[in-house]
Amino acid sequence: GAVVSQHPSWVICKSGTSVKIECRSLDFQATTMFWYRQFPKQSLMLMATSNEGSKATYEQGVEKDKFLINHASLTLSTLTVTSAHPEDSSFYICSARTRLAGLYEQFFGPGTRLTVL
Amino acid sequence: GESVGLHLPTLSVQEGDNSIINCAYSNSASDYFIWYKQESGKGPQFIIDIRSNMDKRQGQRVTVLLNKTVKHLSLQIAATQPGDSAVYFCAEPQIKAAGNKLTFGGGTRVLVKP
Repeated sequence: GAVVSQHPSWVICKSGTSVKIECRSLDFQATTMFWYRQFPKQSLMLMATSNEGSKATYEQGVEKDKFLINHASLTLSTLTVTSAHPEDSSFYICSARTRLAGLYEQFFGPGTRLTVL
Repeated sequence: GESVGLHLPTLSVQEGDNSIINCAYSNSASDYFIWYKQESGKGPQFIIDIRSNMDKRQGQRVTVLLNKTVKHLSLQIAATQPGDSAVYFCAEPQIKAAGNKLTFGGGTRVLVKP
């Protein structure tokens, strides 16, 4: 149980185009999902927190108009990188949080590798 | 720790030896800790957790030690295998608080030499 999927697993796009990444909780409902970005040989950096039915909360330094997050249902959140540029090339990882036995637990997706040419 | 963005330190280990990975945390109120393993090109995987009312917990080939006095956590991997090569992160999610977010420290890369 507690599986999180991401689609696509990798994507290559041209500079200036927009890319949408999906994050799904397959066997549980997640009121909160998180989006992380990871550059090579670095740690995961939290970009934003997404709550179902409300606006995402972005971390300092993350442009909300560039990284559009939609959390329309309890099992799906999407991250759209708008007008992508080569510096946006990174590994994007989502996680989904649920409450089990009164405690909040977080499960991670497999990541999406974005390469912007 | 909160060393976000720094390059990862590397621990080289001979296959069969034991590995020890260390982590310092800053929030004395943290009551739950998780170690994650991240293999190349994949998302983080849960390895083992420990609650603050314990100072040691053992899993299969892994042991986590918690020293609340100095706010230090360690992960010990016994008889390290090539499949253990990965980056290891400690995290301190506030599991009782809905508003908290899980952030990662700098992590340690483990390279297992044959």
